[in-house]
Amino acid sequence: GDSVTQTEGLVTLTKGLPVMLNCTYQTTYSPFLFWYVQHLNEAPKLLLKSSTDNKRTEHQGFYATLHKSSSSFHLQKSSVQLSDSALYFCALRASSGSWQLIFGSGTQLTVMP
Amino acid sequence: EAAVTQSPRNKVAVTGGKVTLSCNQTNNHNNMYWYRQDTGHGLRLIHYSYGAGSTEKGDIPDGYKASRPSQENFSLILELATPSQTSVYFCASGGDRGGQNTLYFGAGTRLSVL
Repeated sequence: GDSVTQTEGLVTLTKGLPVMLNCTYQTTYSPFLFWYVQHLNEAPKLLLKSSTDNKRTEHQGFYATLHKSSSSFHLQKSSVQLSDSALYFCALRASSGSWQLIFGSGTQLTVMP
Repeated sequence: EAAVTQSPRNKVAVTGGKVTLSCNQTNNHNNMYWYRQDTGHGLRLIHYSYGAGSTEKGDIPDGYKASRPSQENFSLILELATPSQTSVYFCASGGDRGGQNTLYFGAGTRLSVL
C-alpha cells in the first residue's frame, strides 16, 4: 500500500547551517508529494509540492526534488533561520483515486542561535 | 487563501459522553477531511467527504462518525468518548484539481477526554 517514511523525528541545528529532512515513499500510482510545515500551536500549511521527475521546486528558501528512481522527496535549505523551527510533514497523494493525502510521522526541526 | 474554521478550539469531555467537533469552510471546496494528530504518528485520516451528504471512512474511523450536511460544514462526532481519543483534531478542505490536492487546515481542536 501507499506509505511515507520520515526517518528523523527530531533535528536540531545551529542557525546558518544547511538542513536536509528525509522523505521516502511507496506508491503504485504516479507519485505526487507535498511538504507541509506546522509552527507551534498553528495549523499545518503547504510549503511546497512536487513537479516532474528530477525537477526541483522551491518556496521560501526551501527546495525539494522528486526522484522517482529512489522514491524520495527530501526537503533542503542552505541556511536555516530561527523562524524555521517547526514540525515538517511529508505527504503523498494516495493512489486510491480519492485524492487523499498520506502523511509521514513528521520531523521536528529546532534551530538554535 | 482558503478559510477553514473549527469549533470549539478546546474541549474537555468525560468518558462516555458525546462530543461534536465542527468545521466550516468558505471556499466551496468539494473535499473535506478530519485528521487527528498524535506525537509519533503524524496526521491520521479519520473520515472524509466528497461533498454534501457524503462521508467516507479514512484510516482510523473506529469510534468516530462524520456528517456533511452542506458544502460548507463537516462535523466529527464521538458518540461515546474514550480517553484514547484525547488528541488534537484538524479539519481540512481541498479542491480536487487533477489530484493536485492542496489541503487547507483549520487551527485545530484540542480534545481531552477524562
